[in-house]
Amino acid sequence: NAGVTQTPKFQVLKTGQSMTLQCAQDMNHEYMSWYRQDPGMGLRLIHYSVGAGITDQGEVPNGYNVSRSTTEDFPLRLLSAAPSQTSVYFCASSYSGFYPSPLHFGNGTRLTVT
Amino acid sequence: GQQLNQSPQSMFIQEGEDVSMNCTSSSIFNTWLWYKQDPGEGPVLLIALYKAGELTSNGRLTAQFGITRKDSFLNISASIPSDVGIYFCAGPISNFGNEKLTFGTGTRLTIIP
Repeated sequence: NAGVTQTPKFQVLKTGQSMTLQCAQDMNHEYMSWYRQDPGMGLRLIHYSVGAGITDQGEVPNGYNVSRSTTEDFPLRLLSAAPSQTSVYFCASSYSGFYPSPLHFGNGTRLTVT
Repeated sequence: GQQLNQSPQSMFIQEGEDVSMNCTSSSIFNTWLWYKQDPGEGPVLLIALYKAGELTSNGRLTAQFGITRKDSFLNISASIPSDVGIYFCAGPISNFGNEKLTFGTGTRLTIIP
């Protein structure tokens, strides 16, 4: 069982470069989300999706775009990388419902922007 | 955005000791969740609490949903080396499912040999 798969595991970008962080899940989960983790700040929600074709902003969406064309995939795009986007990025998925169901996290992508 | 404050930020304990940590919010939550993150991995759900006053156990872990609905507590009894990691509380900002789930800043647990 693959669960939530994130690629790449590590990435170094120069300021101004763009890239896409990939996230795929094979559990047929409706809900998917992206978080960033910075020291001392916990996990902060960037964008989320409650189903294919539906996305919404989280707590810190600026500088990031998302799309959800399929149930399985939820890529995160950095349009013009900045040093402030140096972080560890986690993708998560779960069943959608009234009560929070367990979020299944990927193992993260460690991004450094120089 | 809404903030969940966790304390302590870090703990250094000896194997076998009991551990207590808590999470507070300025707003009421209808659900409290506790996650653990092992080094190099994503967080994993430990316990979910859905009712004020609820006390729920998962092995050596016990969590409580505060009566005021603005706080929650996690206790670990007789700590072992695999308890090392970062513990996060979390709660939904919205009243529906996982939409806008917010996380605390974490409590890092270290076991001193």
